[in-house]
Amino acid sequence: EDQVTQSPEALRLQEGESSSLNCSYTVSGLRGLFWYRQDPGKGPEFLFTLYSAGEEKEKERLKATLTKKESFLHITAPKPEDSATYLCAVQASKNSGYSTLTFGKGTMLLVSP
Amino acid sequence: ETGVTQTPRHLVMGMTNKKSLKCEQHLGHNAMYWYKQSAKKPLELMFVYNFKEQTENNSVPSRFSPECPNSSHLFLHLHTLQPEDSALYLCASSQDENRGYSGNTIYFGEGSWLTVV
Repeated sequence: EDQVTQSPEALRLQEGESSSLNCSYTVSGLRGLFWYRQDPGKGPEFLFTLYSAGEEKEKERLKATLTKKESFLHITAPKPEDSATYLCAVQASKNSGYSTLTFGKGTMLLVSP
Repeated sequence: ETGVTQTPRHLVMGMTNKKSLKCEQHLGHNAMYWYKQSAKKPLELMFVYNFKEQTENNSVPSRFSPECPNSSHLFLHLHTLQPEDSALYLCASSQDENRGYSGNTIYFGEGSWLTVV
């Protein structure tokens, strides 16, 4: 069974204080690892897809990396507007013709001014 | 505005009511999904439709009934729900093909907040 574990559950940072969120996974053949951002009361917003170990992607203050067992979302010099819940999900290669994702519970990030 | 729109955004219904959630995607995708999001729990996949055909039903109780009339529209019909069914219901879509090596990104709508009283 595919599993995704995110840590920490909640993280509080001061503005400008860089940190990382962790996503550990077990999956029967990784087809893709996805990061989403979710603001309160809204649907998840797509951030990144990573396909293979060693891959990295960046968007503004966010950088996602991938190994064979985990992914990190690095946040550099965060701002209050980065406050949100960050969700990690994996897609297994056993599924074909459509995408089903297994999600973690998310990390709730709060950045204080 | 996202490419996936859901209505209504908020719904309060009694346990004996019948209501429906509606989803429309403007992205030209061929697969659509219903997910359930409850507090402190990961997103749970409920149903998948691929080219209008239901391809997955994740052991969802029969009081939830999906309908997909075409690749752009998806409904979730609700009847005789329980208070524990109160949650955020998310519709999503993706452009999927039988690719063995790369993932296909799922795009979500804003969700419908359901409260069962």
